[in-house]
Amino acid sequence: AQKVTQAQTEISVVEKEDVTLDCVYETRDTTYYLFWYKQPPSGELVFLIRRNSFDEQNEISGRYSWNFQKSTSSFNFTITASQVVDSAVYFCALSGHEAYKYIFGTGTRLKVLA
Amino acid sequence: DAGVTQSPTHLIKTRGQQVTLRCSPISGHKSVSWYQQVLGQGPQFIFQYYEKEERGRGNFPDRFSARQFPNYSSELNVNALLLGDSALYLCASSRLDGTANQETQYFGPGTRLLVL
Repeated sequence: AQKVTQAQTEISVVEKEDVTLDCVYETRDTTYYLFWYKQPPSGELVFLIRRNSFDEQNEISGRYSWNFQKSTSSFNFTITASQVVDSAVYFCALSGHEAYKYIFGTGTRLKVLA
Repeated sequence: DAGVTQSPTHLIKTRGQQVTLRCSPISGHKSVSWYQQVLGQGPQFIFQYYEKEERGRGNFPDRFSARQFPNYSSELNVNALLLGDSALYLCASSRLDGTANQETQYFGPGTRLLVL
């Protein structure tokens, strides 16, 4: 079975602090994809990144960075110098041999305080 | 380019009624997926349609059905509504990646359904 675990239900940080959101996944597929989405209060899921199982290179995009480690089945997301606009619920997701079917974690609510 | 659009934005129904939710994909996207997101949880996969055919179905009862039209828009129908069907219904569109047969799903703003 496929599963995504986001153990952190809610995180609060003060603006300009760095914060890391954890994601641990389970799958028996050798080819799979991992995703992060941001869900602001409006409800729309905003795509942030897609990673395939064969590419373990870390990625940086502005203040965002992602650390993919197959050895620990983790795909963690770090926001550097957080801003109030980063406040949202963040979801990690996995898709495997059924590429169209995304398995989401329960999300981590990030609150960035001014 | 316009993103995924969904209508209506909010809906209130009573138990036993039927509801139809609508979704228009991003231009050029031929695949539409539907997800249900209950408050405090992550989205759960309901269906995907590609080129008007159902590609996959999640663990939802037969009360849930969908279809895709020639213009790739889609409707999700839910019959005999239950209180537990209250949720945010998200539509996502995607374009198959020809090299990897993978797709990134881009989500719409959702329809908030409340069943009383």
